[in-house]
Amino acid sequence: AQSVSQHNHHVILSEAASLELGCNYSYGGTVNLFWYVQYPGQHLQLLLKYFSGDPLVKGIKGFEAEFIKSKFSFNLRKPSVQWSDTAEYFCAVNARNNNDMRFGAGTRLTVKP
Amino acid sequence: DAGVIQSPRHEVTEMGQEVTLRCKPISGHDYLFWYRQTMMRGLELLIYFNNNVPIDDSGMPEDRFSAKMPNASFSTLKIQPSEPRDSAVYFCASRRQGEAFFGQGTRLTVV
Repeated sequence: AQSVSQHNHHVILSEAASLELGCNYSYGGTVNLFWYVQYPGQHLQLLLKYFSGDPLVKGIKGFEAEFIKSKFSFNLRKPSVQWSDTAEYFCAVNARNNNDMRFGAGTRLTVKP
Repeated sequence: DAGVIQSPRHEVTEMGQEVTLRCKPISGHDYLFWYRQTMMRGLELLIYFNNNVPIDDSGMPEDRFSAKMPNASFSTLKIQPSEPRDSAVYFCASRRQGEAFFGQGTRLTVV
């Protein structure tokens, strides 16, 4: 089965700083890729997704992610974070030839006002 | 649609007791997933169903855990007997195509 690695366990930034969270997956076939966000005490919500086409994907709240096939990566970025972005962020992979969804361990983002 | 509905939201039980978690997926979704979230292990896929049939239960930690999906609108995750190390937040998610939609989760505490 596919697996997902998120390299940053906890990231602390000040407001207006730029953000990049790493995500790598291990699977040789075609994949769908996702980023989810979990605000404190809440369930996971979709930020953005990539299925095909333009590898630079734009999501909600100013987030974007870039799929680099040669690096098996799908890093999440935001040019200027806000305090309200404090949350846990999960990268997920769904291999096209099966239908489970595997998640990374998550990255906790703390934005200081 | 009300989204994925899980019950109860919180469950506190004593070690050795049976615990049943419930999930109602979004109507029309043919995939249903059960995940467990802990600080130590993050978000783990326990089992998933397609058209009510279990496809992969390799993530179920041990025989004390079982899951059923008797129809397209209902699934249960049962732990019998429960142990303190089962304490976690259990999420149910469903999908048809594309992304998975998550329920609010059940926070289980086994004392």
